[in-house]
Amino acid sequence: GENVEQHPSTLSVQEGDSAVIKCTYSDSASNYFPWYKQELGKGPQLIIDIRSNVGEKKDQRIAVTLNKTAKHFSLHITETQPEDSAVYFCAASRWDSNYQLIWGAGTKLIIKP
Amino acid sequence: NAGVTQTPKFQVLKTGQSMTLQCAQDMNHNSMYWYRQDPGMGLRLIYYSASEGTTDKGEVPNGYNVSRLNKREFSLRLESAAPSQTSVYFCAIASVTYEQYFGPGTRLTVT
Repeated sequence: GENVEQHPSTLSVQEGDSAVIKCTYSDSASNYFPWYKQELGKGPQLIIDIRSNVGEKKDQRIAVTLNKTAKHFSLHITETQPEDSAVYFCAASRWDSNYQLIWGAGTKLIIKP
Repeated sequence: NAGVTQTPKFQVLKTGQSMTLQCAQDMNHNSMYWYRQDPGMGLRLIYYSASEGTTDKGEVPNGYNVSRLNKREFSLRLESAAPSQTSVYFCAIASVTYEQYFGPGTRLTVT
């Protein structure tokens, strides 16, 4: 079955700098890769996603890149702000599993003022 | 978390007690999911329902049952709670393009 590994487990960056979180997946048939942000005491919130027919997707300060050959995808946050502090999760799924999500273990992002 | 509501927000049970976690949506989506999240871990799928009247097991179904009585509501039942079921439980719904949206969660402690 699918396995998703996420690194690093904790990331501390200076406000204004960029942050990069990386995930690898094992199932080459996976074709949908969302990223979620979870603030303390809340449910995960979808922030961006990418499908296997696309290599990169941007939404303001957030971007996701996908390398199907290497089976890894990354979240890039530029010009980080205090409100970006949260736990970020990557996930992977495939169309023939009813898009069941397999989750990474999460990255705690700390933005230092 | 707009569109997905969960009740209760918090619950403490004793070992062997039963309870039902409720989830309701107002977004008219077919697919609904129940996850559990343990400290320092990602979410694990317990059960899901692709449409009204159908349910399927996820990664960790043992000790749980679900009911999808109508399109809006998807409940999760613990028949005989165990300390290992102490967790935060999230309900989610999925759009036709498969983006999942989560409720605020139920924090369950089993003593």
